[in-house]
Amino acid sequence: AQSVTQLDSQVPVFEEAPVELRCNYSSSVSVYLFWYVQYPNQGLQLLLKYLSGSTLVKGINGFEAEFNKSQTSFHLRKPSVHISDTAEYFCAVGHNDMRFGAGTRLTVKP
Amino acid sequence: SAVISQKPSRDICQRGTSLTIQCQVDSQVTMMFWYRQQPGQSLTLIATANQGSEATYESGFVIDKFPISRPNLTFSTLTVSNMSPEDSSIYLCSVEDPRSDRGSGYTFGSGTRLTVV
Repeated sequence: AQSVTQLDSQVPVFEEAPVELRCNYSSSVSVYLFWYVQYPNQGLQLLLKYLSGSTLVKGINGFEAEFNKSQTSFHLRKPSVHISDTAEYFCAVGHNDMRFGAGTRLTVKP
Repeated sequence: SAVISQKPSRDICQRGTSLTIQCQVDSQVTMMFWYRQQPGQSLTLIATANQGSEATYESGFVIDKFPISRPNLTFSTLTVSNMSPEDSSIYLCSVEDPRSDRGSGYTFGSGTRLTVV
């Protein structure tokens, strides 16, 4: 069965600093990988997804993620964060269904 | 992608009662999924509902507590039975985009925020 592990439960950063949210996956078959964002009291919004092809995936709001098969990782990055990026971020893996990581709470401070 | 209408958006219920959540999709989909998101937690898959067969439940979830119906390819319901305060969560339905390869595209409903008092 597939699963994902988000290595950091909370990541505090200052505005305009770079950020990396870490995600490792485990699967015995080829899978698809996703990053979702959830703003306070709102639903899930897809940031980006990796299906195949280029290992560097660009998403919305300036986020990107890199699929690394040898390290079974799919870390999310943004070169310069804004206050408005404060939210919960979920890494997920899809195959027959979708499984989510525990989430990383990104807090951007002024 | 598919558009999901999930109702109710929120409810406050008395313990011991049951609540049925509806999920309507604007296109025919094979796979429908129900998730629970407890306060401050991630999403946990409750069950997978396929039309014409019984739902498949994940470990820790049972049909008596969370009965699911899937009468056709555009509709499903999840019932939270004999509720207790521990059932207070957001419940979300999700579908697999029929125009995507298997496992590559999902759409989520806006969720039902349930509070049990």
